[in-house]
Amino acid sequence: DAKTTQPNSMESNEEEPVHLPCNHSTISGTDYIHWYRQLPSQGPEYVIHGLTSNVNNRMASLAIAEDRKSSTLILHRATLRDAAVYYCILRDSQGGSEKLVFGKGTKLTVNP
Amino acid sequence: DSGVTQTPKHLITATGQRVTLRCSPRSGDLSVYWYQQSLDQGLQFLIQYYNGEERAKGNILERFSAQQFPDLHSELNLSSLELGDSALYFCASSVGGQGPTYNEQFFGPGTRLTVL
Repeated sequence: DAKTTQPNSMESNEEEPVHLPCNHSTISGTDYIHWYRQLPSQGPEYVIHGLTSNVNNRMASLAIAEDRKSSTLILHRATLRDAAVYYCILRDSQGGSEKLVFGKGTKLTVNP
Repeated sequence: DSGVTQTPKHLITATGQRVTLRCSPRSGDLSVYWYQQSLDQGLQFLIQYYNGEERAKGNILERFSAQQFPDLHSELNLSSLELGDSALYFCASSVGGQGPTYNEQFFGPGTRLTVL
């Protein structure tokens, strides 16, 4: 499984945008980029995913570099509820399994 | 609420014992996944079932086994328990299948296992 690199932690202020980076220099052409987050004392939850183009949904935006070696999860206005560990995960779309391989993620702290 | 249920919520047992964790997937989901989360290893994939058949295996110990029943619920059996098996065990489900279409995984609230 291709590896991702994320900062261990980041801090933001409430109602400000947050940009969470992820490096994946060994990404293959068939790898999707997924983001999940884990709120305290809860199971992980899906945030967003993409392949080549930038993606938007109600939770966040995903900006993917042109060479696909990096991506950024954007929370447009952070709230206290967004404090969580954010995981950037690559998954081969051609693989037989849909297992998720979690790294250490980025712990996001949101200050009021 | 993800729609995935796990029981029990907490489990405390002794070394050498055997326990069974249960998971009910979201209605309509055919795939069930088991993950283990410990402080030192993080979140690790254990095993996946799709419509009753084993689809993929991760870092699952031989002392652990799982199955998915015809009604699609799944059980994870942990035997000869050791102190190091203390962890949070998450079940997730997805529509399933394979190929380029991505199926989001929905995680349950987890079962916290404490081995004393």
